[in-house]
Amino acid sequence: QKEVEQDPGPLSVPEGAIVSLNCTYSNSAFQYFMWYRQYSRKGPELLMYTYSSGNKEDGRFTAQVDKSSKYISLFIRDSQPSDSATYLCAGIVSRAGKSTFGDGTTLTVKP
Amino acid sequence: EAGVAQSPRYKIIEKRQSVAFWCNPISGHATLYWYQQILGQGPKLLIQFQNNGVVDDSQLPKDRFSAERLKGVDSTLKIQPAKLEDSAVYLCASSSNRGLNTEAFFGQGTRLTVV
Repeated sequence: QKEVEQDPGPLSVPEGAIVSLNCTYSNSAFQYFMWYRQYSRKGPELLMYTYSSGNKEDGRFTAQVDKSSKYISLFIRDSQPSDSATYLCAGIVSRAGKSTFGDGTTLTVKP
Repeated sequence: EAGVAQSPRYKIIEKRQSVAFWCNPISGHATLYWYQQILGQGPKLLIQFQNNGVVDDSQLPKDRFSAERLKGVDSTLKIQPAKLEDSAVYLCASSSNRGLNTEAFFGQGTRLTVV
């Protein structure tokens, strides 16, 4: 069993929709959870990270962590075609620790 | 601020050949990472350097992969001999002195195809 699981999709939504991307994890030691966006043929770009349980908002993006159910989510409001990419979640035990990535969810936002 | 530079962008080699990838991190970043990303999967850490020293190489296949970071700046990742399953994108990332993954920036990667 992989430590971080993601539904690979693909996920296709119309422009302006609210997108929900989800991951589950099995390592109880994870304290930090990160979301990356990866455009085709580019390296991953960190969108945001959260510590422990709770919500964190940054513009149109909201990250949510529920440690009791080992479930993490990324919500994108008012999705734009430029949001079309693969989204990777990752967990780490400490901020200096090794990242364990999920396999990514591919999102397409159609104009 | 210039980002993480990697070269080459693409490489095609035959199995059993050797190949090397180069990474120049963001200026001043002491921590450098090499990841392997197989198509359809998330990145997997191969090796992490803090300045010249290796912090973690637990997932580096040391029988065929090697990496060095001379003078604590540029780094080279080598595969010798290559196998078909080494086909992947090799990503380099760097972060500041604190070595925080939450502050790491990735390069565009080198796409390796082994035929």
